[in-house]
Amino acid sequence: KAGVTQTPRYLIKTRGQQVTLSCSPISGHRSVSWYQQTPGQGLQFLFEYFSETQRNKGNFPGRFSGRQFSNSRSEMNVSTLELGDSALYLCASSFDKGAHEQYFGPGTRLTVT
Amino acid sequence: AQSVTQLGSHVSVSEGALVLLRCNYSSSVPPYLFWYVQYPNQGLQLLLKYTTGATLVKGINGFEAEFKKSETSFHLTKPSAHMSDAAEYFCAVTWNTGFQKLVFGTGTRLLVSP
Repeated sequence: KAGVTQTPRYLIKTRGQQVTLSCSPISGHRSVSWYQQTPGQGLQFLFEYFSETQRNKGNFPGRFSGRQFSNSRSEMNVSTLELGDSALYLCASSFDKGAHEQYFGPGTRLTVT
Repeated sequence: AQSVTQLGSHVSVSEGALVLLRCNYSSSVPPYLFWYVQYPNQGLQLLLKYTTGATLVKGINGFEAEFKKSETSFHLTKPSAHMSDAAEYFCAVTWNTGFQKLVFGTGTRLLVSP
């Protein structure tokens, strides 16, 4: 069974631009979560989606948004990029909203210049 | 507040030596605990988990961890380190709330010398 896939793997953007990252969960998994990883702040929870609904959101500004489609694929968007948004963005999938094992993708490395 | 503390940002061992990575948690409700490993330029791979039941849990690649409620700890061990174990290790906690949010420790980089 294929793992979690994320596209693109690497991205370079300029301050003020916006970016969309994509995540395809493991086949049959219905829950998707997003995390941001930076050297300074470590791994931080962004959001959780299940059945196209955002169930939980971390402490991030409104520039960070996401959505989930009916096939469980998810996208996250960051508008008005800032230098501090440079990070590895990780997507994780889980079988169900009550399941606790999360399986992570390889991440998208976003660099903002 | 619920949190996870990993003691030691770097741990160095020789190949064949015991690996011990420390994790302590702070939680007012029963936690679910995880260890993940991250190799360079990769995502996180689940090593093992504790939810309920047996407090000594075995994971992949010869790793195991023991949940000690009285010490609020979940230390990761491996009897004999291998060069391929060199990576960053993260302890994480969540709770039986129906939500998926994981709270991670700051990570421990394991260095293995020949």
